[in-house]
Amino acid sequence: QKEVEQDPGPLSVPEGAIVSLNCTYSNSAFQYFMWYRQYSRKGPELLMYTYSSGNKEDGRFTAQVDKSSKYISLFIRDSQPSDSATYLCAMTYQGGKLIFGQGTELSVKP
Amino acid sequence: DAGVIQSPRHEVTEMGQEVTLRCKPISGHDYLFWYRQTMMRGLELLIYFNNNVPIDDSGMPEDRFSAKMPNASFSTLKIQPSEPRDSAVYFCASSFGRHQPQHFGDGTRLSIL
Repeated sequence: QKEVEQDPGPLSVPEGAIVSLNCTYSNSAFQYFMWYRQYSRKGPELLMYTYSSGNKEDGRFTAQVDKSSKYISLFIRDSQPSDSATYLCAMTYQGGKLIFGQGTELSVKP
Repeated sequence: DAGVIQSPRHEVTEMGQEVTLRCKPISGHDYLFWYRQTMMRGLELLIYFNNNVPIDDSGMPEDRFSAKMPNASFSTLKIQPSEPRDSAVYFCASSFGRHQPQHFGDGTRLSIL
């Protein structure tokens, strides 16, 4: 079993839809959680960074961490065609390596 | 502010040749990471440095892979001899602090024929 599981998609939604991206994990020691966005032929770009549980909002993006369920989510409101990319969750713990999910490919259709 | 800079962007070479990938981290960052990305295995950490010192190279697949960081502004990842299964996108990332957000370069797309 992988430490971090992420549905690879692809996920296709119409412009303006709310998008929900999710990851589950098995290591209860994880305490730092991140979401990266990766456009084709580019490097991953940090979107959200959270420590421990709870929600964090930044514009149209909301990151949610539920440590009791070992589950993290990224919500995108009012999705735009420019949001079309692969979204990677990543997590680590003190002294640990950053472990990435496989990535979910998102397509937002105009 | 310049981001992480990697070169070359693309490299195509024949099996058995030496390959050298280069990385310039963000100025002031004290951690540097090398990753490999493939469809099958996703993003995998190969090695990371703290203040130019290699800390953990347990992700380096074989002795054919080596990495150096001679100073705070430059790192190399070398494969010698290269094999077709080394074909992947190699990313360099840097951060200010061990668990602070990592900033990635745009990668080197490596094809070994």
